[in-house]
Amino acid sequence: GQQVMQIPQYQHVQEGEDFTTYCNSSTTLSNIQWYKQRPGGHPVFLIQLVKSGEVKKQKRLTFQFGEAKKNSSLHITATQTTDVGTYFCAGLNTNAGKSTFGDGTTLTVKP
Amino acid sequence: KAGVTQTPRYLIKTRGQQVTLSCSPISGHRSVSWYQQTPGQGLQFLFEYFSETQRNKGNFPGRFSGRQFSNSRSEMNVSTLELGDSALYLCASSLGRVNEQFFGPGTRLTVL
Repeated sequence: GQQVMQIPQYQHVQEGEDFTTYCNSSTTLSNIQWYKQRPGGHPVFLIQLVKSGEVKKQKRLTFQFGEAKKNSSLHITATQTTDVGTYFCAGLNTNAGKSTFGDGTTLTVKP
Repeated sequence: KAGVTQTPRYLIKTRGQQVTLSCSPISGHRSVSWYQQTPGQGLQFLFEYFSETQRNKGNFPGRFSGRQFSNSRSEMNVSTLELGDSALYLCASSLGRVNEQFFGPGTRLTVL
């Protein structure tokens, strides 16, 4: 079945440093979504990428969808303490008929 | 527009018992998915319902079941609870498969 792998599992950074999480799918995706879950909270939708090679930005966050539509990344520039949480990617495979979530990357930021 | 609501928020059960969790999606959303979240295990997909039909099912034993009503509200049931069923159960609604999912606050189930 479809597998979505996310690395790293954990990332500890000093405030102001950059952060990147990577998402890799075993199958070609129709779209990929990114979610953020704050400690004690529930996942909240951040963005959706659909096109091959697509790049989207939200303030300090940059999202990329690979040319082959099998991988994606989320990059945060100059992390802040408000960025702490777990970032999940979710890849949609229309053949499988469902989205599969990665295991998430948990980011901690040291002030 | 009201968000996704889940009841109850917390639940304590003992092994062998059964439990029913409820999810009310955002008005107009016909797709409801359920996930189990345990520390270090990410979001494990349980099942997805659309217009009262189960469209997809994850790799969970038959003790886990669900249903969706005509008003799109959904319930999931776990029978013969085991200690390993202790988890946060999240419900998410969306307009459709290709759309973003809106998660509820979850039901935290503890099995003693």
